[in-house]
Amino acid sequence: DTGVSQNPRHKITKRGQNVTFRCDPISEHNRLYWYRQTLGQGPEFLTYFQNEAQLEKSRLLSDRFSAERPKGSFSTLEIQRTEQGDSAMYLCASRRQGGNYGYTFGSGTRLTVV
Amino acid sequence: SQQGEEDPQALSIQEGENATMNCSYKTSINNLQWYRQNSGRGLVHLILIRSNEREKHSGRLRVTLDTSKKSSSLLITASRAADTASYFCATDSYTGNQFYFGTGTSLTVIP
Repeated sequence: DTGVSQNPRHKITKRGQNVTFRCDPISEHNRLYWYRQTLGQGPEFLTYFQNEAQLEKSRLLSDRFSAERPKGSFSTLEIQRTEQGDSAMYLCASRRQGGNYGYTFGSGTRLTVV
Repeated sequence: SQQGEEDPQALSIQEGENATMNCSYKTSINNLQWYRQNSGRGLVHLILIRSNEREKHSGRLRVTLDTSKKSSSLLITASRAADTASYFCATDSYTGNQFYFGTGTSLTVIP
């Protein structure tokens, strides 16, 4: 169990550029989640995968955001035409199927849009 | 909103004292969880309590759940400086597939 890995740890980008983040979950976990967290707030749900299927998306996930989990293993989150309001910590989490398990979070990717 | 709300927003105590944080929520839940987050890091799962449980212990942590009041509390006994962090409660969605987090309690333990 090597934990949930996220890359990069930090990303600074100019407004209007596209960015992509990667998450490698714990291999035994079939559920993968993306959350966004801004300073002083709790994490906000963005989207969730069970295996390769994207089963839920928050209304926070605008058309500029897309997430994939092509083989049910790692996942990517892409933000197109970034805006300053996209600056946040993007957290990935995974967990086992079933209602009695908590999330295992990665350390997050800190995005700064300048 | 199904999001939990923690109280107080900030708490400062001396090392060795107990720290109590509260969480209130609005809709029925299956599970409630507590997480810790150190500054700039991801969240660490502390404890999960099911809706049919009233109290749960893990080391120096004690969590209670009162579903009639839609509230939970997290007690950290004999606090240490290393307990300094933000603490979040998370309540599950109606599908049980995901969790909603509150805004957290920022705990500072003074050595």
